[in-house]
Amino acid sequence: SQQGEEDPQALSIQEGENATMNCSYKTSINNLQWYRQNSGRGLVHLILIRSNEREKHSGRLRVTLDTSKKSSSLLITASRAADTASYFCATDGGGGGADGLTFGKGTHLIIQP
Amino acid sequence: DTGVSQNPRHKITKRGQNVTFRCDPISEHNRLYWYRQTLGQGPEFLTYFQNEAQLEKSRLLSDRFSAERPKGSFSTLEIQRTEQGDSAMYLCASRPQGKTQYFGPGTRLLVL
Repeated sequence: SQQGEEDPQALSIQEGENATMNCSYKTSINNLQWYRQNSGRGLVHLILIRSNEREKHSGRLRVTLDTSKKSSSLLITASRAADTASYFCATDGGGGGADGLTFGKGTHLIIQP
Repeated sequence: DTGVSQNPRHKITKRGQNVTFRCDPISEHNRLYWYRQTLGQGPEFLTYFQNEAQLEKSRLLSDRFSAERPKGSFSTLEIQRTEQGDSAMYLCASRPQGKTQYFGPGTRLLVL
């Protein structure tokens, strides 16, 4: 079952603009992760934020986590055409004891040149 | 390339046939996971192994699905008596204890 829900489902912006995606989840978590998936390729891990952290940065990526609202956001600054992909949030530790990740449905991001 | 590899990358089969997919994890990773991803959805967790032990299999979609990791290295996922609803991307991931998961490129299955 899907725990996370990303918002929006699709986002189209101009190159150079910032892109923000949101994720909501339902149960308690140990950490939340963001992954990117290009068309026809596997998932690439972007960033992990632990449940006791509120914000984390990695290059052009900024992730926030609000455990009281069970939500997270991913900000990509100064977007590039190569950022075109689907972005998924995934939670770890809240899914009924299994050790797998629970993914949302994803946000499809299109960067227009 | 020392990443996770999966074979085959694509598989077309007829309904009712059995199919088997292979995953070769990163060599020092003791944990291995299988996921299924259907069109427009995120990956859905199926099962995982720690070394050769299958520690979670309740998420396998039906008794037609089974997975093995006989020597704690590569793993296979088998689907018996395939149905059209089994058409999906099957993803494998591995990780060492306490770290993030590294995903393979997936096997895309089409059941006709």
